[in-house]
Amino acid sequence: QSAVTQPASVSGSLGQSVTISCLGTSSDVGHYNYVSWYQQHPGKAPKLIIYGVTNRPSGVSNRFSASKSGNRASLTISGLQAEDEAHYYCSSYRTNYLLFGGGTRVTVL
Amino acid sequence: EVQLVESGGGLVKPGGSLKLSCTASGLSLSHAWMSWVRQAPGKGLEWIGRIKRAADGGTTEYSAPLKDRFFISRDDSKNTLSLEMISLKTDDTALYYCTTEGFGYGFHAVDIWGQGTMVTVSS
Repeated sequence: QSAVTQPASVSGSLGQSVTISCLGTSSDVGHYNYVSWYQQHPGKAPKLIIYGVTNRPSGVSNRFSASKSGNRASLTISGLQAEDEAHYYCSSYRTNYLLFGGGTRVTVL
Repeated sequence: EVQLVESGGGLVKPGGSLKLSCTASGLSLSHAWMSWVRQAPGKGLEWIGRIKRAADGGTTEYSAPLKDRFFISRDDSKNTLSLEMISLKTDDTALYYCTTEGFGYGFHAVDIWGQGTMVTVSS
């Protein structure tokens, strides 16, 4: 199955905003509203922070927001904090499969 | 507290087999679609496959490159999930996570993760 592409890294200063892209195809990201985002700190299991393209699970900060346009989904982290430094992964459903992006390392300067 | 606990990881030689287990507490797996996800050291997440709940047919779906070597099963009476792996390769070295998929937060969102069990394939 085809890959879902994310930038390897993004960085931003404390208090700024960063946006991570997740580029798929018309068979996955562009076709289904089943895009999710995960945060993973070193040595920890991933944590779901966005599901269904735009929805936050209970307890997830509203500094995390997400959207989709065509084959591209995006995650925005507003008001960057030190604890946001982590790896972020998107996932998308594709018929019978689940695809993960390669992951983006977010560095807080 | 909802918890998934994996077991069965370890060192195995190339060409060998291994069976991982996942036990749930705080939730009944019979209500959940379950997936396995792995992460090679220093690498990203890779979806292995899923097994639907019995109410949805209990069928399995796998990542195409793995479908002939990896097999997922469930025993709802024991609240456990299994992953059987055969013909293991060095590239299968990874941390293997047991997860729920779409249990509480919408279809195809991997919402509950175990802590993972490490599988090392090496001679």
